[in-house]
Amino acid sequence: GNSVTQMEGPVTLSEEAFLTINCTYTATGYPSLFWYVQYPGEGLQLLLKATKADDKGSNKGFEATYRKETTSFHLEKGSVQVSDSAVYFCALFYNQGGKLIFGQGTELSVKP
Amino acid sequence: SQTIHQWPATLVQPVGSPLSLECTVEGTSNPNLYWYRQAAGRGLQLLFYSVGIGQISSEVPQNLSASRPQDRQFILSSKKLLLSDSGFYLCAWRGPNYGYTFGSGTRLTVV
Repeated sequence: GNSVTQMEGPVTLSEEAFLTINCTYTATGYPSLFWYVQYPGEGLQLLLKATKADDKGSNKGFEATYRKETTSFHLEKGSVQVSDSAVYFCALFYNQGGKLIFGQGTELSVKP
Repeated sequence: SQTIHQWPATLVQPVGSPLSLECTVEGTSNPNLYWYRQAAGRGLQLLFYSVGIGQISSEVPQNLSASRPQDRQFILSSKKLLLSDSGFYLCAWRGPNYGYTFGSGTRLTVV
């Protein structure tokens, strides 16, 4: 079936460090891929998305590229800030199923 | 613009008591609606989704049920809560281009 696997957290970084959160997926066909962010005590917000192979989603300095050959959608940011501390969820949407399937989430903690 | 409202924000209920969480969407018609649960330290689990009035699909067997009495209203219920029902419940609406908009969530603690 369709599934999403993320690297386990928590990830702890110093401010201005480079961030990578790995995400791989299993799906038949061509899903759309998403990254959502959940700040402490809040709901989920869409961070970025990519709807087809080789698309790059970007927002707020974060980027992720839809790699069909490696079935991956890794999240990157060149210089993290304390305000980026949150839980990040990778997700896929498979149109035939009509559902958004999430990874288990990766907690990021950025220290000043 | 489309907005999604979810309430209450927090809830503490005793074991065995009933539950009703409500979610409403504004600014759209015939939305696809979803209930997710996030247990402490775990990811998001899809509980129910609905593509229209009275149409409910259940993803996992559990102590909960869902109903959609109106086009833009989605309700999550339980007749008797269990300790394991504690968690953060999120309602979501699927918009264009497969983007999901989430409500602010309800933190349920069963004691």
